[in-house]
Amino acid sequence: EDQVTQSPEALRLQEGESSSLNCSYTVSGLRGLFWYRQDPGKGPEFLFTLYSAGEEKEKERLKATLTKKESFLHITAPKPEDSATYLCAVQTPSGTYKYIFGTGTRLKVLA
Amino acid sequence: ETGVTQSPTHLIKTRGQQVTLRCSSQSGHNTVSWYQQALGQGPQFIFQYYREEENGRGNFPPRFSGLQFPNYSSELNVNALELDDSALYLCASSAGGGTNTGELFFGEGSRLTVL
Repeated sequence: EDQVTQSPEALRLQEGESSSLNCSYTVSGLRGLFWYRQDPGKGPEFLFTLYSAGEEKEKERLKATLTKKESFLHITAPKPEDSATYLCAVQTPSGTYKYIFGTGTRLKVLA
Repeated sequence: ETGVTQSPTHLIKTRGQQVTLRCSSQSGHNTVSWYQQALGQGPQFIFQYYREEENGRGNFPPRFSGLQFPNYSSELNVNALELDDSALYLCASSAGGGTNTGELFFGEGSRLTVL
């Protein structure tokens, strides 16, 4: 069964304290892996798409990487405004092109 | 360029009632998908519409149904509401239909509470 697991469930960082979020997946054929940011009560906001192992994408303080079994979202010198839930999703060629989401990592950055 | 808009933003229903949620897709997008997000969980795929046809469905019962209109806007209908249907319902639009490999653009969601 296709599955996406994110860890940790929650993470508290001091401002400037770098860390990484993990997304591990087991899918029968990966069409793409996506990272989204979700603020409370809002819809997810797209961050990155990764398609193949070894690929990396960067945006401001965020960097996403992909291996054959997992993806990491590295946060360098975070600021309080980076506080949000970060969701990982995979797209599979299951015939429906649905996206399978993990449960997310709730990040809190303290000033 | 207008983004994805959903209505209503919040609503309260009682068990057994029916609800209709609406979504306008982002300009230029012909594919709409619906997700259910329970509190503290990730979004769960309900179904996807491409050119007015359902072309994918998740593990949701038939009382969850939908429509897509010629302007690519969409509706999600839920009949015989149950307490567990309480959730944030997210609409997402994308381009490319069944061959889409791109990102989803989400609306702000409709928060449904079933009492």
